[in-house]
Amino acid sequence: GENVEQHPSTLSVQEGDSAVIKCTYSDSASNYFPWYKQELGKRPQLIIDIRSNVGEKKDQRIAVTLNKTAKHFSLHITETQPEDSAVYFCAAVNAGNMLTFGGGTRLMVKP
Amino acid sequence: NAGVMQNPRHLVRRRGQEARLRCSPMKGHSHVYWYRQLPEEGLKFMVYLQKENIIDESGMPKERFSAEFPKEGPSILRIQQVVRGDSAAYFCASSPGGNAEAFFGQGTRLTVV
Repeated sequence: GENVEQHPSTLSVQEGDSAVIKCTYSDSASNYFPWYKQELGKRPQLIIDIRSNVGEKKDQRIAVTLNKTAKHFSLHITETQPEDSAVYFCAAVNAGNMLTFGGGTRLMVKP
Repeated sequence: NAGVMQNPRHLVRRRGQEARLRCSPMKGHSHVYWYRQLPEEGLKFMVYLQKENIIDESGMPKERFSAEFPKEGPSILRIQQVVRGDSAAYFCASSPGGNAEAFFGQGTRLTVV
């Protein structure tokens, strides 16, 4: 089955700096890659996603890139703010609709 | 269109009792996923169901745990003879399938005393 690795597990940045979280996947048939943000005590919520026919997608301060050949994808947050502090999960969906998550990254933005 | 509904939000069970967790997917969603999350940890996959079928239960312990998603009604995650180690937050997510967003419920926080 699919295996998704996520790095780093924790990330601390200064407010205004950029944050980058990287994920790799194992199933070359995976074709949909969502990213979720989970605040303390709350449910994970989708913040951005990318499909396998696209190499990059941007939504305001958030961008995601996908390299299908290398089987890795990344989340980029620019101009970080304290409210960006949360746990971020990458995920991959394969042809069988299995939704597999990475281990999560705890992002801390210091004011 | 209501979101994914999970109930109860909080559940306290004594060791040896049964726990039943319910998940009503969003309207039009036929795919349901269950995940377990311990404090400060990630989302551990348990089971993936489509209407009336278990597609993948590789993450669910073979003993004491079962799941169903009947033609009518919510998906149920059932834990028999609970032990303290079952204490966790259990999240379900639903999607319409394909390359479409999965939405999460608010989770059920199970505490075994």
